[in-house]
Amino acid sequence: AQSVTQLGSHVSVSEGALVLLRCNYSSSVPPYLFWYVQYPNQGLQLLLKYTSAATLVKGINGFEAEFKKSETSFHLTKPSAHMSDAAEYFCAVSAPGSQGNLIFGKGTKLSVKP
Amino acid sequence: DTAVSQTPKYLVTQMGNDKSIKCEQNLGHDTMYWYKQDSKKFLKIMFSYNNKELIINETVPNRFSPKSPDKAHLNLHINSLELGDSAVYFCASSQTRRGTGLAGGYNEQFFGPGTRLTVL
Repeated sequence: AQSVTQLGSHVSVSEGALVLLRCNYSSSVPPYLFWYVQYPNQGLQLLLKYTSAATLVKGINGFEAEFKKSETSFHLTKPSAHMSDAAEYFCAVSAPGSQGNLIFGKGTKLSVKP
Repeated sequence: DTAVSQTPKYLVTQMGNDKSIKCEQNLGHDTMYWYKQDSKKFLKIMFSYNNKELIINETVPNRFSPKSPDKAHLNLHINSLELGDSAVYFCASSQTRRGTGLAGGYNEQFFGPGTRLTVL
């Protein structure tokens, strides 16, 4: 069975500061990992995904994440926050044989202060 | 062009009523999903269909019945609505990658804008 834990339901950073959103996973098989972003009153948009290729994954809008098997982590980072990054971020896991079943974390709300 | 669309965007109704939410995707995908997002933003899969065949059916009350008339559409019908059904419902779609079969698990899912259901 797979599960995802996102540490911190709310993260606040200043514009221009580093963004770090934490995600730890549990999986009995090598996982596939995803980060999605949800802007207010909108659907989810894929930021990036890890599918057992390179462990450092680059996504859209300057975000990247690193898969660390030893730490069972897939933290999302961005060097410099922008006001437009304010949104809810979800980490999700699926596994081979899961038939596309995405297990989501509880989400982290990112606020960006001017 | 909207890739995954849902209607209606907002739905306010009384307890006990029956309602439907429609989803359409124009991406040519072969798999579609329904997710429920509760008031705490927690997202959980409800159903998925591949080529009109039900493949994921999580523990959902049988008042919820998905219907897929074709690969591009997946509708959700809810009978005897209850207060606890109030949530945002998201439709999503993905394409099974050649060689992976449905067991691939990593196909990117494209989400619709959501339908906010409020049961009074």
